[in-house]
Amino acid sequence: GAGVSQSPSNKVTEKGKDVELRCDPISGHTALYWYRQSLGQGLEFLIYFQGNSAPDKSGLPSDRFSAERTGGSVSTLTIQRTQQEDSAVYLCASSALYGDTQYFGPGTRLTVL
Amino acid sequence: SQQGEEDPQALSIQEGENATMNCSYKTSINNLQWYRQNSGRGLVHLILIRSNEREKHSGRLRVTLDTSKKSSSLLITASRAADTASYFCATDNQAGTALIFGKGTTLSVSS
Repeated sequence: GAGVSQSPSNKVTEKGKDVELRCDPISGHTALYWYRQSLGQGLEFLIYFQGNSAPDKSGLPSDRFSAERTGGSVSTLTIQRTQQEDSAVYLCASSALYGDTQYFGPGTRLTVL
Repeated sequence: SQQGEEDPQALSIQEGENATMNCSYKTSINNLQWYRQNSGRGLVHLILIRSNEREKHSGRLRVTLDTSKKSSSLLITASRAADTASYFCATDNQAGTALIFGKGTTLSVSS
């Protein structure tokens, strides 16, 4: 079946603009995760959604970052007033159940000029 | 905070040789996973090993877990040029809601 998909694959934006990144998890997976990967920081957890439970937002680096998951499926990560340090690859993953193997999408490479 | 720490950071071998990568972690875990990443993009899941397991195999991959030493190893046998990638170990965070990754081992396999 189809894996996790993300769009866009690449995004270049100017400092101060808002961006939205989209993730389509594997159908039927209840858990969805966002991570980012940058040269200096490695792979960092951002946010976790599980079914209808309140998300775990403990990894979001600032209040400029937010995410939602509509209908328990598609998720959007929004970064407001982007900064150059937001440049990174943003990875989405999903798993069938809490604690199961996480399957990753191809990522969105964000470049903030 | 970082949980997994891979060793070595970089490894260069010839095709046909075996590659061993190690991972150490700090706190108790439910499971440990190994992932591969090509060209800095999507991560491919390789193996999940649970805390009550000691060894697991998948094709040319062998993973061991020693919870007393808080360490794991990934062995790739008879390596191929296509195995060239970065390899990461990951453990679940304390809340069990996310993976914490190490910085990875970059493997180069030359033909």
